[in-house]
Amino acid sequence: QKEVEQNSGPLSVPEGAIASLNCTYSDRGSQSFFWYRQYSGKSPELIMSIYSNGDKEDGRFTAQLNKASQYVSLLIRDSQPSDSATYLCAVIDSSASKIIFGSGTRLSIRP
Amino acid sequence: ETGVTQSPTHLIKTRGQQVTLRCSSQSGHNTVSWYQQALGQGPQFIFQYYREEENGRGNFPPRFSGLQFPNYSSELNVNALELDDSALYLCASSLEPGDVYGYTFGSGTRLTVV
Repeated sequence: QKEVEQNSGPLSVPEGAIASLNCTYSDRGSQSFFWYRQYSGKSPELIMSIYSNGDKEDGRFTAQLNKASQYVSLLIRDSQPSDSATYLCAVIDSSASKIIFGSGTRLSIRP
Repeated sequence: ETGVTQSPTHLIKTRGQQVTLRCSSQSGHNTVSWYQQALGQGPQFIFQYYREEENGRGNFPPRFSGLQFPNYSSELNVNALELDDSALYLCASSLEPGDVYGYTFGSGTRLTVV
């Protein structure tokens, strides 16, 4: 069973600080990785994708990938109250047929 | 507005009934994947349709079935509804099954089984 593991949280971070979200995956053949943001009662929204080892930055968001450790992370700088949401880590399985999701980490930004 | 539309948005059904959920994929996308998301959980893969053929199935019983039409829209049918089927059902479309650009989700259908 291919799995994606995340700490469910909640993770509470003060406004303006850096939020760090982590994810591990079991399928060593996976090549594409995603972070989705999901507000309560809404559908997931793609915010970052990463395919190569290292860091990828997009505005306040940085995704980090380490394939050897099978580890993906998301950093959110200058956290804002609007960042309060559940963040889903997702990977394309090695058969390249579907995206598998973790259970999500609930992030709360406190004023 | 993502271009992926789902209907209905909310639905209440009685245990044992049947339900059909609908999804219109984003223009140009030939792949539709269906997910079930229970409260507090991540989306669980139900099945995927690619060019009108089933292209993979998750760990769901046969009473979950689907179709994809020539215009790439799709239906999810669930027979003999159980209380545990209460969840948010998400449809996602993509250019291909393992699209490296990720999936685009519709707004979902909230199904409540009583």
